[in-house]
Amino acid sequence: DGGITQSPKYLFRKEGQNVTLSCEQNLNHDAMYWYRQDPGQGLRLIYYSQIVNDFQKGDIAEGYSVSREKKESFPLTVTSAQKNPTAFYLCASSIDISRTSGRAYEQYFGPGTRLTVT
Amino acid sequence: DAKTTQPPSMDCAEGRAANLPCNHSTISGNEYVYWYRQIHSQGPQYIIHGLKNNETNEMASLIITEDRKSSTLILPHATLRDTAVYYCLTGTASKLTFGTGTRLQVTL
Repeated sequence: DGGITQSPKYLFRKEGQNVTLSCEQNLNHDAMYWYRQDPGQGLRLIYYSQIVNDFQKGDIAEGYSVSREKKESFPLTVTSAQKNPTAFYLCASSIDISRTSGRAYEQYFGPGTRLTVT
Repeated sequence: DAKTTQPPSMDCAEGRAANLPCNHSTISGNEYVYWYRQIHSQGPQYIIHGLKNNETNEMASLIITEDRKSSTLILPHATLRDTAVYYCLTGTASKLTFGTGTRLQVTL
């Protein structure tokens, strides 16, 4: 089955430690994304990558880092510099679904990782 | 990307049509309208998208006004499993901005 896997589902860390969240996709999508979601809030974009070995900061990149060495993988590191790291983290990839005019994309999401830092 | 405005919550009786509105008055000519939904503690799921014409698929219908400043997502026969947060988004690139959406509660 094609899809996006995120592991682990739940992650607990002590304050001051860096932690890396895994995201793997076998959909052959070029673009991948990391979002953060806080309780009762929408999704906020952390980083995105449109091609291997290239990535851009999203709206809330401070305290996070990413790498994109392989098309299938887009790991996110939550560093000790992130002031409020406890959140639900979602990874996504996208495919071009453009038809006759303009560009349109569909994003596919993983099941998420719930990170708790104490 | 244009900003979207949605009501924070709506209720719908099971079996009835759920009509979810969205305002996107600053949408530009080449921006698509997208709808996603998120069931509790899961990743969002794509529902439908459109540019100017109304669209229908197996999940829903999308009605876009002629001036493209607003749209309505229609779930023709809502079920309890349609209870979720529904997000309306606009965009031209693969990078999309999610707001806080509409929490739809389907009741018996």
